Amino acid sequence: AQSVTQLDSHVSVSEGTPVLLRCNYSSSYSPSLFWYVQHPNKGLQLLLKYTSAATLVKGINGFEAEFKKSETSFHLTKPSAHMSDAAEYFCVVSHFSGYSTLTFGKGTMLLVSP
Amino acid sequence: NAGVTQTPKFRVLKTGQSMTLLCAQDMNHEYMYWYRQDPGMGLRLIHYSVGEGTTAKGEVPDGYNVSRLKKQNFLLGLESAAPSQTSVYFCASRGDGRTMGSYGYTFGSGTRLTVV
Repeated sequence: AQSVTQLDSHVSVSEGTPVLLRCNYSSSYSPSLFWYVQHPNKGLQLLLKYTSAATLVKGINGFEAEFKKSETSFHLTKPSAHMSDAAEYFCVVSHFSGYSTLTFGKGTMLLVSP
Repeated sequence: NAGVTQTPKFRVLKTGQSMTLLCAQDMNHEYMYWYRQDPGMGLRLIHYSVGEGTTAKGEVPDGYNVSRLKKQNFLLGLESAAPSQTSVYFCASRGDGRTMGSYGYTFGSGTRLTVV
């Protein structure tokens, strides 16, 4: 069984300040973890993924996430928010066995103010 | 461009009507998935398929049926639409991991369905 908890439904930051979106996971297997972003009325875009290589994962647009097994966390960070980062972010867990599926968190809406 | 194509992009149905959503992929992927997205709920798995001719239930399968008669196509059917099925539907596919880079999931752009 696998599950994901995104700890904040909304996060508000000012442009130029750091972003932290929190995610905890539960998995019976060694997990693969992803962050996806969805801009309003758009599809899903993969930001980054962890698949048991380096625990600090760098993604697109300056985002990165750190896999911490002891804390079962996979928080998403960015040093400096941009207005274009305003979107909904989903933390996702999976494991790559034959019948693996993606389990999504409920999402965190990131609001960026000028 | 290679990827996942969903048809239609938008649809309005009346309660009780039926329809089929089509997902087509041209990447020779084994695994295909249907998700629905509702506000505050993230994406939830409806049904999935691990190969041609196979289907399995996901987290929220009630009211939906699926078929995978051809490897490249995964159809999602609503036999008698209900307002509770108003949602955005996403299809995804994934390779079997035996070839380099085939582990990644590819999502379609979504189908926005409204049932009135």
